[in-house]
Amino acid sequence: AQKVTQAQTEISVVEKEDVTLDCVYETRDTTYYLFWYKQPPSGELVFLIRRNSFDEQNEISGRYSWNFQKSTSSFNFTITASQVVDSAVYFCALSLNDYKLSFGAGTTVTVRA
Amino acid sequence: SAVISQKPSRDICQRGTSLTIQCQVDSQVTMMFWYRQQPGQSLTLIATANQGSEATYESGFVIDKFPISRPNLTFSTLTVSNMSPEDSSIYLCSGARPGQPRVEAFFGQGTRLTVV
Repeated sequence: AQKVTQAQTEISVVEKEDVTLDCVYETRDTTYYLFWYKQPPSGELVFLIRRNSFDEQNEISGRYSWNFQKSTSSFNFTITASQVVDSAVYFCALSLNDYKLSFGAGTTVTVRA
Repeated sequence: SAVISQKPSRDICQRGTSLTIQCQVDSQVTMMFWYRQQPGQSLTLIATANQGSEATYESGFVIDKFPISRPNLTFSTLTVSNMSPEDSSIYLCSGARPGQPRVEAFFGQGTRLTVV
């Protein structure tokens, strides 16, 4: 069975600070996909990124960056120079080829002005 | 990216009644899923909606409580039956398409259900 752990329940930062969200996963499969989603207070789930297990290349998209390390089964997410609009719950998730998602518990990020 | 529309966006229902949630996806999507997010919790997969056949339910979810239909490729409904306050949750529809390019698991805007 798959498992995703987000040990940080809540993170509070002041605007312009960087924030890193941790995600550790467990699976016995060699082919899997890792995701990050953002859930703002309105409730919709916004897709941020997908990484497959064969692609350990880190990625940067604007103020967002992701660090995938298979050696430590981690897929961490960093928001650089945080803004108030980044306040949301962030979920890390994993799926196999069946496309079913296993979610972590989520990390609530609060960015204070 | 796939477009997923879900309705209603929210509802307040009396206990003992049932609510049917609709999900419409665009033609890029071939797989459809239903998730539940209880207050302050993460998302849990309820079932995979199968076109023209019975849905495949995850452990802890049963057809009598959450009947699901998928009469065609792009439309599915989830009914929450005989509701109790414990059913108050956000219910989300998700779609994906296997193959290349892989169309990812995008979500509808969710249905926020409150049972009183």
